[in-house]
Amino acid sequence: KNEVEQSPQNLTAQEGEFITINCSYSVGISALHWLQQHPGGGIVSLFMLSSGKKKHGRLIATINIQEKHSSLHITASHPRDSAVYICAVPLGTDKLIFGTGTRLQVFP
Amino acid sequence: EPEVTQTPSHQVTQMGQEVILRCVPISNHLYFYWYRQILGQKVEFLVSFYNNEISEKSEIFDDQFSVERPDGSNFTLKIRSTKLEDSAMYFCASTLGLATTGETQYFGPGTRLLVL
Repeated sequence: KNEVEQSPQNLTAQEGEFITINCSYSVGISALHWLQQHPGGGIVSLFMLSSGKKKHGRLIATINIQEKHSSLHITASHPRDSAVYICAVPLGTDKLIFGTGTRLQVFP
Repeated sequence: EPEVTQTPSHQVTQMGQEVILRCVPISNHLYFYWYRQILGQKVEFLVSFYNNEISEKSEIFDDQFSVERPDGSNFTLKIRSTKLEDSAMYFCASTLGLATTGETQYFGPGTRLLVL
């Protein structure tokens, strides 16, 4: 069973488009993480959020704790945004469970 | 900006050999993690480590695996007798607080392990 589901699995977009990536989870959580995995494999933490909305540059993350759903939006997408975006939730005390990731490709 | 470092970046080994993957977490961080990612699959939690002991481990983290923080800076993952299925990218991460408190996890660049 998957505690964390992401959609879509793959996403292609033209430069400038608005992107939405969704994450649903089945466990009760206190916080959700959005991560970015670069083509070379490195992982960077983008957001941690426990309620409402957070914005960082062109990235916006929202979470609805009651509906167990989070979204990551990218405004004015750019080819350099091409990466795998992963949501992860804590399970138990100290363990992150990862989604399968959404592979985004933005074409010029 | 402080970062987590890992060595080596790549390791090729024969089945049955022991490997040690090394990580230097961010210096004031208190919680340390190992994750792995088999090619084409999602990232999986292996183990968390706090106050010089394992705080949580997954089903994957069997007796072949061990972790150590021998000198207060390095954090190592040892695989005692590697199997083909241990081939994966291994990520180390560190953080100031627990995953449940939502502290940002800082990931190392990974070690790509190939078992032949």
